[in-house]
Amino acid sequence: GPKVLQIPSHQIIDMGQMVTLNCDPVSNHLYFYWYKQILGQQMEFLVNFYNGKVMEKSKLFKDQFSVERPDGSYFTLKIQPTALEDSAVYFCASSLEGSAETLYFGSGTRLTVL
Amino acid sequence: GDSVTQTEGLVTLTEGLPVMLNCTYQTIYSNPFLFWYVQHLNESPRLLLKSFTDNKRTEHQGFHATLHKSSSSFHLQKSSAQLSDSALYYCALRANSGTYQRFGTGTKLQVVP
Repeated sequence: GPKVLQIPSHQIIDMGQMVTLNCDPVSNHLYFYWYKQILGQQMEFLVNFYNGKVMEKSKLFKDQFSVERPDGSYFTLKIQPTALEDSAVYFCASSLEGSAETLYFGSGTRLTVL
Repeated sequence: GDSVTQTEGLVTLTEGLPVMLNCTYQTIYSNPFLFWYVQHLNESPRLLLKSFTDNKRTEHQGFHATLHKSSSSFHLQKSSAQLSDSALYYCALRANSGTYQRFGTGTKLQVVP
């Protein structure tokens, strides 16, 4: 089936540093999402993105977070600066035509902030 | 606001027994979309089945669920559990046009011999 690729699979950084998580969504998909999953807890919505713009964001999407997809390349989540509570697995997802459609998830990036 | 409730955190079943994982939701919108995703260990979540039609059974890979708007439920069922069904199961709600899919807390299904 359709594949969403996430790079890297694991990232370890020091608190206060910047990190960029990369997502290569399914090629013809138009909607992109980031979800956060703290170990042992549920997946929580962070943000969705369409047509070059953030559509919605949750209260977990702090000011230190930003997303972009320059020129149709990777869909990125940048955290600057990072905090200890940002440690989690971040899942990227994409869908063809919005949130009523199936979400295709990447394998996640495990972010560890020390 | 909108919410999804999965009451069981862990369900342990013997192989061959029927599976029922509970999902209820809350929304003011009349046309919700409901989803079940399955996440096997060290894998990403993938769609198992979805529905937006009231009282219509949806089936996939031996699992089935029926959206009941009267009771705001979308329980996942299977007649006979297999060892390979052991995974984390998420119920998700898309309440209204343009909103995201909101996930429940998940139910870990453990099938034992």
